[in-house]
Amino acid sequence: DADVTQTPRNRITKTGKRIMLECSQTKGHDRMYWYRQDPGLGLRLIYYSFDVKDINKGEISDGYSVSRQAQAKFSLSLESAIPNQTALYFCATSDRLAGDASSTDTQYFGPGTRLTVL
Amino acid sequence: LAKTTQPVSMDSYEGQEVNITCSHNNIATNDYITWYQQFPSQGPRFIIQGYKTKVTNEVASLFIPADRKSSTLSLPRVSLSDTAVYYCLVGDTSNFGNEKLTFGTGTRLTIIP
Repeated sequence: DADVTQTPRNRITKTGKRIMLECSQTKGHDRMYWYRQDPGLGLRLIYYSFDVKDINKGEISDGYSVSRQAQAKFSLSLESAIPNQTALYFCATSDRLAGDASSTDTQYFGPGTRLTVL
Repeated sequence: LAKTTQPVSMDSYEGQEVNITCSHNNIATNDYITWYQQFPSQGPRFIIQGYKTKVTNEVASLFIPADRKSSTLSLPRVSLSDTAVYYCLVGDTSNFGNEKLTFGTGTRLTIIP
């Protein structure tokens, strides 16, 4: 979805390096997510944010941190990259309305960042 | 969060109707059922979402029986471009949304010419 962009699209780094993956969206959504996908597997949630002041850990947050700089931007950092963090990383937004208990939730994904840690 | 079970893979010929069934025996009252499609090296794309009975859009239909313990995604007259992985998700959107959404491994659908 062109409304959700990720940079870089590909990155090769070395063990111990700090790297940042960036996500921007023009959909005006409050909710944003970071997932990782390993070959042949489904997506696993790393972090999610309901608004700029609300950030939550997902199921696999160890070794990662995030920053929600603005409604439109949500960055994922690997403080000290390790080889088992080699994966495809996806950012997503959600159209769920804050405070609306009856609204459903559709997620819109970016094109992904392929990260290789040597 | 209700766990889902889907077939690992399916094959079908072009022009056929394809039905992919998902089991979610522990679905809760507030849970919705959502299906996503993912092509290689791309992010998943929303296909359809429903709560009960039948939902249809321009891409697919979703059939949900009365007990809601399963659901079936129906793709009419598939083409080669429908070759992808299809994920069934069940999530509670009544309070916090699908913040702990679990995609699982999905169903790998291969369309044969």
